[in-house]
Amino acid sequence: NAGVTQTPKFQVLKTGQSMTLQCAQDMNHEYMSWYRQDPGMGLRLIHYSVGAGITDQGEVPNGYNVSRSTTEDFPLRLLSAAPSQTSVYFCASSYSLAGVGDMTQYFGPGTRLLVL
Amino acid sequence: AQSVTQLDSHVSVSEGTPVLLRCNYSSSYSPSLFWYVQHPNKGLQLLLKYTSAATLVKGINGFEAEFKKSETSFHLTKPSAHMSDAAEYFCVVSRMDSSYKLIFGSGTRLLVRP
Repeated sequence: NAGVTQTPKFQVLKTGQSMTLQCAQDMNHEYMSWYRQDPGMGLRLIHYSVGAGITDQGEVPNGYNVSRSTTEDFPLRLLSAAPSQTSVYFCASSYSLAGVGDMTQYFGPGTRLLVL
Repeated sequence: AQSVTQLDSHVSVSEGTPVLLRCNYSSSYSPSLFWYVQHPNKGLQLLLKYTSAATLVKGINGFEAEFKKSETSFHLTKPSAHMSDAAEYFCVVSRMDSSYKLIFGSGTRLLVRP
């Protein structure tokens, strides 16, 4: 059981380039989410998904796209990278929906992104 | 609106002394509250959680937290710090429009001196 995995661990982009951050979980969790972590600001929710085929925006969605074609995978796409997107990105997953069962979210190890 | 405030950005203790990391929350309803720990260059790990059961919550590695509704606080404590406790700690509250949306505090970095 690998838990939540993220690739790559580190990436350098030039302004305007596109890329996809990969996230996968093998716990059969319905809920998955993407956060970005910036110094002094904790983690902020970018996008989330409550199941395959269903996604929604979080607090800071601009500049990012997501899709959820399978339960296991939840990739995050940067269409045209900007220096403001330099951050550490975390993917998380959780078993339950609202008010049901264990709401613990399990986090991946993170992807460090530098946009020049 | 819900929010969470971690009152100290940095806390420094000596090994073997008690740890206190302070967290206050704002919520119109009884929230679910969590403490997560992040070691350098690692992901976040759940320490403990409060979900309206016992107000004193015990977590991993000897940490515990007490939910105090009258003070809107959820402070994290440990009787005796260990060098391996040096990390960043996040207090987190779940949003009322969806219990799986989390609001993070800005974090407290714990330094443990030998």
